Amino acid sequence: AQTVTQSQPEMSVQEAETVTLSCTYDTSESNYYLFWYKQPPSRQMILVIRQEAYKQQNATENRFSVNFQKAAKSFSLKISDSQLGDTAMYFCAFMKFGSDDKIIFGKGTRLHILP
Amino acid sequence: EAGVTQSPTHLIKTRGQQATLRCSPISGHTSVYWYQQALGLGLQFLLWYDEGEERNRGNFPPRFSGRQFPNYSSELNVNALELEDSALYLCASSDGRTGLFNEKLFFGSGTQLSVL
Repeated sequence: AQTVTQSQPEMSVQEAETVTLSCTYDTSESNYYLFWYKQPPSRQMILVIRQEAYKQQNATENRFSVNFQKAAKSFSLKISDSQLGDTAMYFCAFMKFGSDDKIIFGKGTRLHILP
Repeated sequence: EAGVTQSPTHLIKTRGQQATLRCSPISGHTSVYWYQQALGLGLQFLLWYDEGEERNRGNFPPRFSGRQFPNYSSELNVNALELEDSALYLCASSDGRTGLFNEKLFFGSGTQLSVL
């Protein structure tokens, strides 16, 4: 069974700094997707970034980028120039490639951006 | 375009009662997923419905059940409520026609269920 581990329950950084959230996963699959979701106080989960395992290039979405290390089964999220609106719970997630499976989430990292 | 809507926002029940949670997916989406977000446990997969059929089920007891209606909206029913059922229940939808059923999930804001 696949597992997703986020070892940082909570983090705080100053506004405009760069922060990296860690995620490791365990799977025997070779084709899969990895995601980072953001859950602000409104509770609605928002997809931040997605990485396909077969792509070597790290995904980037504006200030958000990932460091995907397939051999190490590591998938960290870097937030550059952090903003107050980045304050949220961040979940790392895994999905096996295929049409009959579901997304598996880690327990989350609560990120506080301080003014 | 309206997003995924869930009702009620909050629900308070007592032990042994039944709870019914509702979800309306984004227009055109055929797949609906239910997740339980208990404090400190992240999101736990509950149920997945597509085209009215239950496609997959998480590791939850049978008192957690649901259904999907012809208009693709969905209900989650929890019978014989227990204190540990207190959690945020999130619904998500996706367009199953992409071929990867939950390649991208769109979430609602959840129903906060409190069992007293």
